[in-house]
Amino acid sequence: EVQLVESGGGLVQPGGSLRLSCAASGFTLSTYWMSWVRQAPGKGLEWVANIRQDGNSIYYVDSVKGRFTISRDNAQNSLFLQMNSLRAEDTAVYYCARWAYDTLASWYYYDRWGQGTLVTVSS
Amino acid sequence: QTVVTQEPSFSVSPGGVVTLTCGLSSGSVSTTNMPSWYQQTPGQAPRTLLYNTNSRSFGVPERFSGSILGNKAALTITGAQANDESDYYCVIYVGSGIWAFGGGTKLTVL
Repeated sequence: EVQLVESGGGLVQPGGSLRLSCAASGFTLSTYWMSWVRQAPGKGLEWVANIRQDGNSIYYVDSVKGRFTISRDNAQNSLFLQMNSLRAEDTAVYYCARWAYDTLASWYYYDRWGQGTLVTVSS
Repeated sequence: QTVVTQEPSFSVSPGGVVTLTCGLSSGSVSTTNMPSWYQQTPGQAPRTLLYNTNSRSFGVPERFSGSILGNKAALTITGAQANDESDYYCVIYVGSGIWAFGGGTKLTVL
């Protein structure tokens, strides 16, 4: 069974750091693009970052550039999000998600989601 | 800055038909943007509904369908049921490796 399990969330003060992890199981992590998506309390989903299978192609939403770093360890079946210089507006549930690719249609879409981990930035 | 637009809310009667849309603040949504649709109920992770315009994810009922309507992606529910009451999100590829979600549509079935 495919599973994505996030961990590492919690309460952190503004300006602090936190490292989120996503443990993948039931599939070969190295064959998928992966992503972090967040959702502030009562708000919509927001794409945060993508990382290619080999970790050498990475993209971020503008609001986290220079503060967040997405990475992966395919040997350990894990995805990470290092979050530095945290702000109150980073408070959200952070989801780990897998990108699927429909080869016939040349179409990317999310096909698996974790249950999320809550990050609260507050003094 | 690219903004993906969705109706903030919509209401449909049980058994009715409703079409939710996903557009761009500037420009049109096409297959190049690879729009896909997700359903989310409070406290739960999103659930994948549609991709490749009208391909349903595993286990998604046939009453959910997708299309490109004019300059927007569209999600249609035909024969709405009470358990379709959820938030619906689209995500599209805006270019240069960047993706963006719409603000979501809160669907009420009553």
